[in-house]
Amino acid sequence: GENVEQHPSTLSVQEGDSAVIKCTYSDSASNYFPWYKQELGKRPQLIIDIRSNVGEKKDQRIAVTLNKTAKHFSLHITETQPEDSAVYFCAASKGNTPLVFGKGTRLSVIA
Amino acid sequence: DGGITQSPKYLFRKEGQNVTLSCEQNLNHDAMYWYRQDPGQGLRLIYYSQIVNDFQKGDIAEGYSVSREKKESFPLTVTSAQKNPTAFYLCASSRPGQGPSPLHFGNGTRLTVT
Repeated sequence: GENVEQHPSTLSVQEGDSAVIKCTYSDSASNYFPWYKQELGKRPQLIIDIRSNVGEKKDQRIAVTLNKTAKHFSLHITETQPEDSAVYFCAASKGNTPLVFGKGTRLSVIA
Repeated sequence: DGGITQSPKYLFRKEGQNVTLSCEQNLNHDAMYWYRQDPGQGLRLIYYSQIVNDFQKGDIAEGYSVSREKKESFPLTVTSAQKNPTAFYLCASSRPGQGPSPLHFGNGTRLTVT
């Protein structure tokens, strides 16, 4: 089955700097790659997703890139703010199979 | 206000007791899921159901059971056979159509077994 690896497990950045979180997946048939943000004690919430027919997608300060050949995708957050501090999860799936999640990255933005 | 409701938010049980976690959605989603979250482990799939009266085991189904008698409801029972039941449990739903769709999560139930 699918296996998703996520790095780093923790990340600290200065406010205003960029943050990059990387994930790799094992199943070349996977075609959907969402990213979720989970604040302390709250539910995970979708922040951006990308499908395999697209190489890059951007939404304001957040962008996701996908390299199907290398089977990896990345989350980029620019101009980080303290409210970006949270745990971020990547995930992958194919067709209607359930999402397989990475283990998460705890991002701390230092003011 | 559409969404997924999980109850209760906190649940305490003694070892050896079965306990049922509630999950209700009014999003008219066909698929529902249960994930377990432990520190540093991400979200691991327990069970999922893509249609009423049908469900499949996920990666860590041992010691758990589910039912899907109604589209809106997908309760999870944590049995005494689950060796380490203390965790944060998240219910989710989606509307898979011609391809994958994002998950919508409930607020979770934190179960503590002593």
